[in-house]
Amino acid sequence: DIQMTQSPSSLSASVGDRVTITCRASQSISYYLNWYQQKPGKAPKLLIYAASNLQSGVPSRFSGSGSGTEFTLTISSLQPEDFATYYCQQSYRPPRTFGQGTMVEIK
Amino acid sequence: QVQLVQSGSELKKPGASVKVSCKASGYTLTSYVMNWVRQAPGQGLEWMGWINTNTGNPTYAQGFTGRFVFSLDTSVSTAYLQISSLKADDTAVYYCARGEAVAGAFDIWGQGTMVTVSS
Repeated sequence: DIQMTQSPSSLSASVGDRVTITCRASQSISYYLNWYQQKPGKAPKLLIYAASNLQSGVPSRFSGSGSGTEFTLTISSLQPEDFATYYCQQSYRPPRTFGQGTMVEIK
Repeated sequence: QVQLVQSGSELKKPGASVKVSCKASGYTLTSYVMNWVRQAPGQGLEWMGWINTNTGNPTYAQGFTGRFVFSLDTSVSTAYLQISSLKADDTAVYYCARGEAVAGAFDIWGQGTMVTVSS
């Protein structure tokens, strides 16, 4: 199985900060990497698909990059509604493994 | 609009069975695969597997074979997850999620169904 490792596991940031989350795959997954946001008590929401494509309706402050084994999710200017847990997921082959999540908290 | 609506919370005793439904609206169920994802309390997301909504053929992730069954009723645009011989560690929120065709991302999610297993 392809293992997905996110870093950091959690971070504290202020409104307006630039935030970067990294996701590493245990083997090359080309660009088959997706990012989700989950708020407490809610279903996950797709933010970025295929490494760098913004899902419809997602604010442009979110961006994704990378290919192969290393990927990043960047929030250019953190907003109050962005405090949540973020997960990466590979869709290169089954099982569709997720990273362990990165919790973004208010500093 | 495109949405997946799941059945409500369940409280079950160990050894019982539960069937969670996931009704698709705003699109044709058979046009996309349906994934199932588990989230234990305070934990991350775990892919359970998917069902090919054209053929009805399910694929189960390791750890979700035997007691877990994915099924469909295309006449009512609904996917189902059935879990038998429930154990306490099956307590979790279960999500259905549509798999989009281009990159396999999960673009539409149900609201989740909390299954609690307790004596």
